[in-house]
Order: sequence, then C-alpha cells, then structure tokens
Amino acid sequence: EVQLVESGGGLVKPGGSLRLSCVASGFTSSNYNMHWVRQAPGKGLEWVSSISRSIPYISYADSVKGRFTISRDNAKNSLYLQMNSLRADDTAVYYCARDPVTDYPSPNWFDPWGQGTLVTVSS
Amino acid sequence: SYELTQPPSVSVSPGQTARITCSGDALPKQYAHWYQQKPGQAPILVIYKDTERPSGIPERFSGSSSGTTVTLTISGVQADDEADYFCQSADSSGTYVFGTGTKVTVL
Repeated sequence: EVQLVESGGGLVKPGGSLRLSCVASGFTSSNYNMHWVRQAPGKGLEWVSSISRSIPYISYADSVKGRFTISRDNAKNSLYLQMNSLRADDTAVYYCARDPVTDYPSPNWFDPWGQGTLVTVSS
Repeated sequence: SYELTQPPSVSVSPGQTARITCSGDALPKQYAHWYQQKPGQAPILVIYKDTERPSGIPERFSGSSSGTTVTLTISGVQADDEADYFCQSADSSGTYVFGTGTKVTVL
C-alpha cells in the first residue's frame, strides 16, 4: 500500500524552529517529485514547497521563502521540511504529498497525501 | 497573485446532482484537479487532468472544462459525499495553486 506518514509537529514559540519528516512506504520516493502542503485551522489548502526527483529542483511559496528548507533522504525514503523563524500565521496542519506522474513534467497533482502533522506557533 | 475561485457552499438533496465550479484565468492552459476532504482527514484526489477519475473513485464523480472554468459534478449525490472540495491547478509560471474550497452539504 502506498502511504505517507508525517511527524515532527508540535507547539513552538514565535521565532522558533521545527523539522517535519515524512516517511514513504509502498513506493520508492526518490522516483517522484514530492511536496509539502499546509492548511491553517478552518482554512483552505496552501502549497508550501516542492522538490523534484532528480537534480533536485526546489521551489517555495513566497510566504515561506527564506525561512523553510525542503530536503530528501533517498536512502531513508524520507522527505523533510526545516522550518525556521516561525510565525503565528505558519500555524497549520502540514501534509506531505506525492506527484504520482513520472513521465510528464510538473506541475501535476497530488496523490496520495499523508495524514498531516499539526504545527502550532504560539507564545 | 493568481486565484482559483469556487463558490463557498453548495447544497443538494440525496440523489440529485451537485455541480462545483472553479474559475481561473490560466485554466485554458493548465489542467485542473479536484480533491475531497472530510473533517479531520487528509484530502483525497477525485479528478485529475480536468476529466480523469482515479481508480477507486465512484463513477458519480466527473469533471469537465470550458474556457476559464472547470466543473466537478457529483451525480446521484449520497450522504457520504458531504465534504469540502478543492480544485488545484498552476499559474502561468507553474506555481501550484488551490481553489478557495466549496462545502457540499447533503440536505
């Protein structure tokens, strides 16, 4: 079964840092572009960051550029999101998601999604 | 910044048809995809590339496209279809964008 499991969320003070992890199972994540998407409480979905499967091409939403860093460890079939200088408006459930397409250039769609991990930024 | 606009809510009786629109200037050049999200759960892909249905998604879910508007249609709505629905596409530079979301209520 193709599955993504996130971890690393929690309560952090404004200005603090947190590292999210996403472990893939049922497929080799290095063969796919991978993404982080977030959802603030009661709000819609917001794309955060993407990393390509090769020569890693990385992109970020303007709202997190310069503060967040996406990376991957292919040996561990894992995706990461290092979040620094956190602000109250970064409070959200963070989902990792896979781009299931391997023979067509991005942008594509997200499938599957992990269950999400909650990040709360508050003093 | 680029926006995909959806109606905030759609109400439909069981067995009837629900239509959810998503409007954006780049949609004639970029595919749209649709996700269903139930409370406390992760989104699930229900339509990709405007009209394609993933395996395991019921046939009552279908998608269409016309100009700057794409539409998700749920035929023969069931109580289990009550959820939030989001469209997703990309702007002219390839940056991912989500729609504003539509809450479907089954009366």
